[in-house]
Amino acid sequence: DGGITQSPKYLFRKEGQNVTLSCEQNLNHDAMYWYRQDPGQGLRLIYYSQIVNDFQKGDIAEGYSVSREKKESFPLTVTSAQKNPTAFYLCASSPGTGRGPGELFFGEGSRLTVL
Amino acid sequence: GQQVMQIPQYQHVQEGEDFTTYCNSSTTLSNIQWYKQRPGGHPVFLIQLVKSGEVKKQKRLTFQFGEAKKNSSLHITATQTTDVGTYFCAGPSPSGTYKYIFGTGTRLKVLA
Repeated sequence: DGGITQSPKYLFRKEGQNVTLSCEQNLNHDAMYWYRQDPGQGLRLIYYSQIVNDFQKGDIAEGYSVSREKKESFPLTVTSAQKNPTAFYLCASSPGTGRGPGELFFGEGSRLTVL
Repeated sequence: GQQVMQIPQYQHVQEGEDFTTYCNSSTTLSNIQWYKQRPGGHPVFLIQLVKSGEVKKQKRLTFQFGEAKKNSSLHITATQTTDVGTYFCAGPSPSGTYKYIFGTGTRLKVLA
């Protein structure tokens, strides 16, 4: 089955700890994204990667880091510098077209709670 | 920076009534997409509009892209309980075609 897999689904962490959220896709998509969603809120872009070995900051990149060493993988690290990390994190990928990213396919999300 | 606002923020309708959500961007968009997120789920792509003034229909859903390509709407005719969820519009930022910015969303509740 082709799709996007995020893990873990639920994660608890203590203040001051870094955590890494995994995102893997087997859709052969070039572009990948990380969004953050707070309760009752929209999606805010953290980082995006148009192609392997390249990534760009979104609107709320502070306190987060990413890597794109493989086409199928785009892990997100939530560092201790992120002031309010409790949120629902969504990873997405898209095929890319001549006009832009095309349809975004989302994973099921990772819910991070900081204790 | 670019802002994409949606109104209303919430809408409760009686089953069978119509529903419309409006999306307004502070900048001109080369294209706009619409997504639906069911409660507890993840966003799922509905449609992409590209041309100025474009109108597309999917069964009971009608999508429109404004002439100036700064606004869009989604209209649902005769809502059903399966329409419950949050509807988001999304478009590319002026600073990057792949930098996709989502609107604030409209949460729809349908009362049976």
